[in-house]
Amino acid sequence: DIQMTQSPSSVSASVGDRVTITCRASQGISSSLAWYQQKPGKAPKLLIYAASSLQSGVPPRFSGSGSGTDFTLTISSLQPEDFATYYCQQANNFPPTFGQGTRLEIK
Amino acid sequence: EVQLVESGGGLVQPGGSLRLSCSASGFTFNSYAIHWVRQAPGKGLEYVSAINNNGGNTYYADSVKGRFTISRDNSKNTVYFQMSSLRAEDTAVYYCVREWYINAWYYDYWGQGTLVTVSS
Repeated sequence: DIQMTQSPSSVSASVGDRVTITCRASQGISSSLAWYQQKPGKAPKLLIYAASSLQSGVPPRFSGSGSGTDFTLTISSLQPEDFATYYCQQANNFPPTFGQGTRLEIK
Repeated sequence: EVQLVESGGGLVQPGGSLRLSCSASGFTFNSYAIHWVRQAPGKGLEYVSAINNNGGNTYYADSVKGRFTISRDNSKNTVYFQMSSLRAEDTAVYYCVREWYINAWYYDYWGQGTLVTVSS
């Protein structure tokens, strides 16, 4: 199975800040990568698919980039509702596998 | 509105069995594969099992192969997940998830999850 590694594991930031989370795959996955947001006690929510495509209804302050093995999720201006845990997931090889998560906390 | 609703979770002793159900609505159920993804307390997300749209193909993570069985009844818009020989490490919230396949395996809709606790 493909291993996904996220960094950092946690990050503290303030409302209005720009935040970037990275995800690295153990082998090339083309652009087959998704990002999910999970709030405490809730199911994950799909934010971005195909590395950079925004899921319907997701605010444009979220963006994704990358291909091959290195990917990033950027939140351009943090809003209070963005404080959550974010997971990347490779979708190129079966089974799908997830990164360990990045917890975004309020500074 | 797409909805996936899990049920059947609870407390079970090690070695015991449990059957989860996932009831779907708001989409053409027999056109989609369904997966189970679990999350141990305070941990990350882990794919566990999948079933294709007509039930003809099933897939399992190595950690559950031989112990868990996934099935579906398209006449009832329901997926079942029979869990046997349960272990403490199977303790997790189990999510029923719709596969969105666009030349890659994404998860576009998730249920609210059902908690399975394996403990004596």
